[in-house]
Amino acid sequence: DGGITQSPKYLFRKEGQNVTLSCEQNLNHDAMYWYRQDPGQGLRLIYYSQIVNDFQKGDIAEGYSVSREKKESFPLTVTSAQKNPTAFYLCASSYSAGGTDTQYFGPGTRLTVL
Amino acid sequence: GQQVMQIPQYQHVQEGEDFTTYCNSSTTLSNIQWYKQRPGGHPVFLIQLVKSGEVKKQKRLTFQFGEAKKNSSLHITATQTTDVGTYFCAGPTGGSYIPTFGRGTSLIVHP
Repeated sequence: DGGITQSPKYLFRKEGQNVTLSCEQNLNHDAMYWYRQDPGQGLRLIYYSQIVNDFQKGDIAEGYSVSREKKESFPLTVTSAQKNPTAFYLCASSYSAGGTDTQYFGPGTRLTVL
Repeated sequence: GQQVMQIPQYQHVQEGEDFTTYCNSSTTLSNIQWYKQRPGGHPVFLIQLVKSGEVKKQKRLTFQFGEAKKNSSLHITATQTTDVGTYFCAGPTGGSYIPTFGRGTSLIVHP
């Protein structure tokens, strides 16, 4: 589970503000993912990227945006359009986006909207 | 929506008792993965099952993949306080190759 960093660990924002969560990996993985975790909801996929300059919507992409300009980086922006953004956000990566590849998770960012 | 169902959502046990969590899919899975998330931590990969009827063991943990590849289970023998956490199963469903995670089973071990 090493090699993936997320910052910051805790983040507070005021309602109506956009905020960007950082995710960096040095595992040389092609695929990267963003999940949202709420109590009792498990992990829900927001966006994923199979390769640089390409990304796809997951199950709950509304109110979020991403970019993948570098292999190592996959930042997530939580926009003001996201109606309930308070949650624990997890970034993950895998060697490829194949269904048999292990996902390695970062430590997560806990976002609280005040 | 969620296509991988996991039960129970919570399980309280006394230390030394056994524990089992079950994972069910409405469609056949090409493989299933299990992850563990400690309280306050992040999910960590435990194991992957690929073959129909496969059984794998890791010390006190036994993982099974059903014959029809639609269900799986994780059994922990003689739980310890270090087993506390949430256990997730994940498998590619609905034609996607991206794993769908179950909602997890939170294990609470009472000393």
